[in-house]
Amino acid sequence: QVTLKESGPTLVKPTQTLTLTCTFSGFSLTSTGVGVGWIRQPPGKALECLALIYWNDDERYSPSLKSRLAITKDTSKNQVVLTMTNMDPLDTATYYCAHFGLTAAGVNFDYWGQGNLITVSS
Amino acid sequence: QPVLTQPPSASATPGQRVTISCSGSSSNIGSNTVNWYQQLPGTAPKLLIYSNSLRLSGVPDRFSASKSGTSASLAISGLQSEDEADYYCSAWDDSLGVVFGGGTKVTVL
Repeated sequence: QVTLKESGPTLVKPTQTLTLTCTFSGFSLTSTGVGVGWIRQPPGKALECLALIYWNDDERYSPSLKSRLAITKDTSKNQVVLTMTNMDPLDTATYYCAHFGLTAAGVNFDYWGQGNLITVSS
Repeated sequence: QPVLTQPPSASATPGQRVTISCSGSSSNIGSNTVNWYQQLPGTAPKLLIYSNSLRLSGVPDRFSASKSGTSASLAISGLQSEDEADYYCSAWDDSLGVVFGGGTKVTVL
């Protein structure tokens, strides 16, 4: 059974750095074709994919946010960490982590965490 | 702004059919497969359909999807009250990575 859970702060001040941890079970990030992604959703708005990390250590970032993001994995702890620098009130959103399996059909997120609402405010 | 274009809303009465469109370009839908997600109120998105038209295990066959050129569509036939949700299309973009549509809110009248 695959599960993922996000953890981190609920409130961040402008200009601060956000660190979110995704702790998962039921799969290994050392298995070929497996990856974890971070997706966010501002209140009442659409989904936006922020970053992907693959089993082979490849990383992929949203081009518009690349300079602010870093994604890392700790396979011994079954965790993926996302950091986002210089937080702004516009970054207020629910942040999800999700499992994906890379296939010829591309990337699809088949298991999701419950989400972590992050509010950016002074 | 979302890369893929969806209508903001769609509605129908129970038992009827509703169709949601998703428009992209040659760098995403035109050259890669489309996935559809359902997001019930207050919950995380759930993968509904992948690889253009394949239903995830457990998804009722009332849900169907197709792709043609740079557009895709999701159809829900025999609409039920529990289908009231937001639906998002998604695809890989050769420059941008994973992209989503703006979402379509389906209302059962």
